[in-house]
Amino acid sequence: DIQLTQSPSFLSASVGDRVTITCRASQGVSSYLAWFQQKPGKAPKLLIYAASTLQSGVPSRFSGSGSGSEFTLTISSLQPEDFATYYCQQLNIYPLTFGGGTKVEIK
Amino acid sequence: EVQLVESGGGLVQPGGSLRLSCAASGFTFSNYWMTWVRQAPAKGLEWVANIKEDGGDKYYVDSVKGRFTISRDNAKNSLYLQMNSLRAEDTAVYFCARVSWGVNDYWGQGTLVTVSS
Repeated sequence: DIQLTQSPSFLSASVGDRVTITCRASQGVSSYLAWFQQKPGKAPKLLIYAASTLQSGVPSRFSGSGSGSEFTLTISSLQPEDFATYYCQQLNIYPLTFGGGTKVEIK
Repeated sequence: EVQLVESGGGLVQPGGSLRLSCAASGFTFSNYWMTWVRQAPAKGLEWVANIKEDGGDKYYVDSVKGRFTISRDNAKNSLYLQMNSLRAEDTAVYFCARVSWGVNDYWGQGTLVTVSS
């Protein structure tokens, strides 16, 4: 199974900060990687797919990059509504797997 | 508007069975792969199973193989997860989600399954 390691697992930041989350795969997944945002008690929300394609309706301050085994999610200017947990997911090989999550909290 | 509504969760004893349902609306259900994902309390997301548009292909995470069965009824716009031989570690919120371009773009609100004596 492909393991996805997210770093950091916890991040404390202020409104307006630039935030970068990394997702490393134990083997290459090409560009078959997605990023989700989840708020407490809610379903995950798709942000980015195919490593760098912004899902319709998602603000442009979110961006994704990478291919192969290293990927990043960047929030260019953190907004109050962005405080949440973020997950990467590889969609290249079954079983599909998620990273452990990165919790973004208010500093 | 795409809507996915899960139901069927509840409290069940270890070794018991439960059938989850997911009612889909707002899109042509028969044109999409569908997914079940779960989340144990205060834990991360875990993909559980996928099913092809016509139900012909199914994929499962190893931990549920032989115990869980994903199925669908395209005439009823419904997705199902039959869960047998339930264990404490199956306790989680179960989400259904639509697959579009290989990724889960719409999700239901989830249904809680608690396995406990």
